[in-house]
Amino acid sequence: AQTVTQSQPEMSVQEAETVTLSCTYDTSESDYYLFWYKQPPSRQMILVIRQEAYKQQNATENRFSVNFQKAAKSFSLKISDSQLGDAAMYFCAYRSAGLENFGNEKLTFGTGTRLTIIP
Amino acid sequence: KAGVTQTPRYLIKTRGQQVTLSCSPISGHRSVSWYQQTPGQGLQFLFEYFSETQRNKGNFPGRFSGRQFSNSRSEMNVSTLELGDSALYLCASSLSRLAGGPRETQYFGPGTRLLVL
Repeated sequence: AQTVTQSQPEMSVQEAETVTLSCTYDTSESDYYLFWYKQPPSRQMILVIRQEAYKQQNATENRFSVNFQKAAKSFSLKISDSQLGDAAMYFCAYRSAGLENFGNEKLTFGTGTRLTIIP
Repeated sequence: KAGVTQTPRYLIKTRGQQVTLSCSPISGHRSVSWYQQTPGQGLQFLFEYFSETQRNKGNFPGRFSGRQFSNSRSEMNVSTLELGDSALYLCASSLSRLAGGPRETQYFGPGTRLLVL
């Protein structure tokens, strides 16, 4: 079974600064997806960024980028130019891929990191 | 395109009752997954439906069940409610393309907050 670990329960960053959230995972699979979701106080889970394991290039979405280290099973999220609206719980998630996992939509989540933005 | 909708948004029940939650996926999405979120256990996968069939199930007791209709809308039912069933129940939908194609991201609804007294 796969596991996802987020070792930072809480983080804070000054507005306009950069912050990095950590995530490690354990799997014996070679083909999978990794995601970062954001959950603001409204509790709506919002996709931030996703990474396909077969892609060596790190995914980026505007101010959000990841550092994907497949061998180390590490998947960190970097938020640049932090804004007040970035305050939320951030969850790292894993999903199996590959033909043998067709139909397996299950997401395995980490425990989350609460990010506070300091004005 | 409208997002995933869940009804009701809030619900209060008493122990022993049963409850039904509803989820309408994004138009065109055929896969619907359900998750339970609690402070103690975090986010846990309940089950996933595709074309009216349950494809995958998490480690929950048989009191938790679900179904999917031909229009892809899904319901989950919890019978004989227990205090520990108090949680935020999240529904997510995805396209879930055919085998060999790119996998689509899951998009979440706003959740149903269930309180069991």
